[in-house]
Parts: sequence; structure tokens; C-alpha cells
Amino acid sequence: GQQLNQSPQSMFIQEGEDVSMNCTSSSIFNTWLWYKQDPGEGPVLLIALYKAGELTSNGRLTAQFGITRKDSFLNISASIPSDVGIYFCAGPHLINAGGTSYGKLTFGQGTILTVHP
Amino acid sequence: GAGVSQSPSNKVTEKGKDVELRCDPISGHTALYWYRQSLGQGLEFLIYFQGNSAPDKSGLPSDRFSAERTGGSVSTLTIQRTQQEDSAVYLCASSSRGRSGNTIYFGEGSWLTVV
Repeated sequence: GQQLNQSPQSMFIQEGEDVSMNCTSSSIFNTWLWYKQDPGEGPVLLIALYKAGELTSNGRLTAQFGITRKDSFLNISASIPSDVGIYFCAGPHLINAGGTSYGKLTFGQGTILTVHP
Repeated sequence: GAGVSQSPSNKVTEKGKDVELRCDPISGHTALYWYRQSLGQGLEFLIYFQGNSAPDKSGLPSDRFSAERTGGSVSTLTIQRTQQEDSAVYLCASSSRGRSGNTIYFGEGSWLTVV
């Protein structure tokens, strides 16, 4: 099956620093999604990418869909304490050559982000 | 309600007992999913309901796991004869159909501990 490899597994940074994390796959994805999970809560969608090469921003967050369609990265600029949490990449599971099973997402292992004030 | 609602939020059960976890999706969402998150791990797909179609059960780890969705709304995930390895957070999510269906909304999860 499809697997997503996410790195780094964890990061410890100082407030104000920039953060970068990435996700790679051995298979092609047509969509890349980035989620954040706060402690004790479910994941929340941050950014959705639908086209190879696409670069999308959401406030201090920027994500890119790799042109090979096998990777994506997420950058957080000028980190703040509330950025703490687990960040997951995800992609929909392909059930046939041209179809996409929306919602049946494959998730990366997650990047645990700790921000020191 | 405004979001996906799950209950119970926490459940401690003895090994061998059955448990039921409930999910109330966002009103109007036709798709409902169950995921499992073990400690320090990513999210593992369990089962997917879409409207009146047959559910995709390909992620259920064993025949001790089953799920129902009644009336196209509320869903119940049942784990029979629980084992310690079943301890995890069970997350429910829902979405509307179409491309925007990639925006799936998660509940806060049901934390299951099997002792």
C-alpha cells in the first residue's frame, strides 16, 4: 500500500525561528494535505494542495506540492508557542488508475513540534 | 452540532470486555470515517461510510472490530473482546461529497485504555 515518510520526527526550536518539515512517498499522490493536531484534540486541516508545483500559504504557513507528485513540504515562519503540536501530512488513497477515494487518507507518522518561549 | 461529536471521550475497560464508541458527524455530511491513532503514531484508517453505498471496511484490523452507521448519520464502532493492543485514540471524521470532500473534519477522539 501507499506509505508516507515524514521527517523530522520531532523538532525543538526557539520562538521566532522558522520550521521546515517534509513528506515523501514512493507513490504518486494527486493531493497533499497538511494537518495539525493539538494535544487532546483531533487533527485540523491547515493547507490542501491539488496541483503539482503548487505553492500555497495560510498565514505564517507555506506548503508546496512537489513537481514529481511524490513529496511535499510545510514551512512555518516566525514560530510562536501556540504552534506546538503534531503536524501530519496526508494524501488520499488511490483506488484505481484515475479515481480518488476522498477521505480515505494515508497519514505520515507526524512531526512533533516543541517551541520554547 | 457544529462539529463532529464523539463519545465517550475517555473509556477504561477490562481486557475481554466489549466497547462501543459513538460518532455524531457534522449535519449534512454524507461521508463518515473512523481512524485509530496509537501513542506516538500516525492515523490508521479503519472504515469509511459514504451515503448508502457499502462501507469500505478494508482497514479494520480484525473481526473483533465492526461499525454501523444508522440512518446515514450517527455511527457506532464496536470492539469485541478487547485486547491491550486495542488501546488507542479512535477518531471519527466526516466530510461532504466532492472535491471539497478532501476537507474532512475530525472529532476530538475517544481515548480507549484496555487494562
